[in-house]
Parts: sequence; structure tokens; C-alpha cells
Amino acid sequence: DSGVTQTPKHLITATGQRVTLRCSPRSGDLSVYWYQQSLDQGLQFLIQYYNGEERAKGNILERFSAQQFPDLHSELNLSSLELGDSALYFCASSPGGGFQPQHFGDGTRLSIL
Amino acid sequence: GQQLNQSPQSMFIQEGEDVSMNCTSSSIFNTWLWYKQDPGEGPVLLIALYKAGELTSNGRLTAQFGITRKDSFLNISASIPSDVGIYFCAGQLDYGGSQGNLIFGKGTKLSVKP
Repeated sequence: DSGVTQTPKHLITATGQRVTLRCSPRSGDLSVYWYQQSLDQGLQFLIQYYNGEERAKGNILERFSAQQFPDLHSELNLSSLELGDSALYFCASSPGGGFQPQHFGDGTRLSIL
Repeated sequence: GQQLNQSPQSMFIQEGEDVSMNCTSSSIFNTWLWYKQDPGEGPVLLIALYKAGELTSNGRLTAQFGITRKDSFLNISASIPSDVGIYFCAGQLDYGGSQGNLIFGKGTKLSVKP
């Protein structure tokens, strides 16, 4: 158990819809990272938050957004969903940012029908 | 974007065999990490490397941070059935500050020889 909790585990929805994925980091960790895992692209970094502020952005679509709340949990919002958004979405956390190992949750599997 | 070339893509093991996999990049990395992912689960951190030349062990696993800072390898000695899974290398570039996103290789899938 990594200590990173993600909900829900599975999500099935239709094109055009909007969903919210939730992540609770390990106790004491200030940084939260979101990654997308697909068969063709592998694991790709989306966005990082550190103590409530956005720190880094990767290949995140404009239809996607995230935030980190005062209690340090984070949410990833995906809107106007397309078939190609079907993937595993992982959250990871680390104590600070920079060169610190990241621990991953078990992911949310998003299926778009 | 940045790419990590991980090889081999897949390999079959027999119990007791030693296993080797590696990652290379055209960029210099400040950190190398190795993760293992089992079906239905998230990547689990195996080893983290922070200095060029560093050699670190975790049980039967040994990993090294290449001297050029552009590569890393992972060895598994005396493999056992539970070693089956997908192994990922990941690196961090020097962004400065608290930015720390990982760049991942495509993975090495370890399976048991039929």
C-alpha cells in the first residue's frame, strides 16, 4: 500500500461528458502529480501541484484541469470527453517537489463509450 | 518531448535466471527511478538513484545510475515467479525549484517461460 488513495477505481461514461477524479496523497506529502497511461503513449505526465499551487504542466489538454485543495487532496477534471481519453489516470505524491521519489496510487480506469 | 529508450521491450524468464534491462536517453537526467507495475495496480517504486555512478541494491535488485547521466540499468538476480510484471525506468530532468515530473520509458514486460 503506497498510501496514495484514488477514487473511483473505475469510471464508465459517454463522449461529451465531464468527470472528476480524486486523489489523496500520502500523509505529509505536499506535491501531487497526475499521469495518464495509455497503450500507445505509455505513462505521460499531465500536471503537478505543490502545496496548492500549480508547479508544472506536461501534455495536458485544455479540456483537462486540476486543482489541489487546502487539505492537499487533488482533483483532476476531464470535460468534453472523447473516445481517445480512455486510459488509466494515476496520481502520485512526494514530500516536496524536485528530486524526491514519487509514490503512485492504484489509478482510475476511465472508459469512454 | 523527452524520450527514454527502454530495452528489452519484453523478456521471458525461467526461475533462478538473472535478468537485465536498461534505459538510455539523449538528455542528462538528475534522478533515475525504477518502478514495477502489476496488473490493476499502480507503479511501485523499487529503487531511486540520485548521483552519477551510484549503484544501489534492494534485495535481489540492483540498479546503477550511468556515469554520463544518460542511462541506467536494473538487474534482478535469481528471479522468482513473483518478479513477473512490467518494469519502468523514469528520469527527472533538472528543472530547478520544486518541479519534479517524471519521464517514463515504455516498460519491459517480464513473463515466465512456457
